[in-house]
Amino acid sequence: RKEVEQDPGPFNVPEGATVAFNCTYSNSASQSFFWYRQDCRKEPKLLMSVYSSGNEDGRFTAQLNRASQYISLLIRDSKLSDSATYLCVVLDQGGKLIFGQGTELSVKP
Amino acid sequence: NAGVTQTPKFQVLKTGQSMTLQCAQDMNHEYMSWYRQDPGMGLRLIHYSVGAGITDQGEVPNGYNVSRSTTEDFPLRLLSAAPSQTSVYFCASSYSIPYGGQETQYFGPGTRLLVL
Repeated sequence: RKEVEQDPGPFNVPEGATVAFNCTYSNSASQSFFWYRQDCRKEPKLLMSVYSSGNEDGRFTAQLNRASQYISLLIRDSKLSDSATYLCVVLDQGGKLIFGQGTELSVKP
Repeated sequence: NAGVTQTPKFQVLKTGQSMTLQCAQDMNHEYMSWYRQDPGMGLRLIHYSVGAGITDQGEVPNGYNVSRSTTEDFPLRLLSAAPSQTSVYFCASSYSIPYGGQETQYFGPGTRLLVL
């Protein structure tokens, strides 16, 4: 079983739609959680950290459920520019970042 | 600041050849790491360093060596290239070990390697 699992997609949605990604992790001792964004053939960039209380940044909302060991990312009012691959990332207790395989999002006009 | 730079951008090697992928950062970051990214696999950690003179293995270290003689540079050496090492390689850095979610990892633009 992979340590961090995501639905690879692709998710094809129209502009303005709301889309949600889920991610599960296997190590209950994991320390911190993140969502990264990766555009085609580019390097990953931090989108947001994920906190137990949930956090929001504009149209993006991240949630963490430690009991069920899953993380979610909600994107509201999707834009064409949101098209990318979204990587779920978990920090293990040894200080190493563990990446999911990514979920591809394609927002269509 | 240039951030994290990697060279070369592209490389084609023959099986058995050796080469070094260069990574440098000008942000005075202590923590540097190398990842490889393959389709359907996500990024996997190869080696990392918590400071000059200190390196350690990640998830997939076999076939790769690293050294950290300066804070700025963290080269990755392929000792004898194999087709299984065909991948995209990313170098990343952060001010410290990313405990507590406070330290953003900055990634370089990547090196695309093809081993024939």
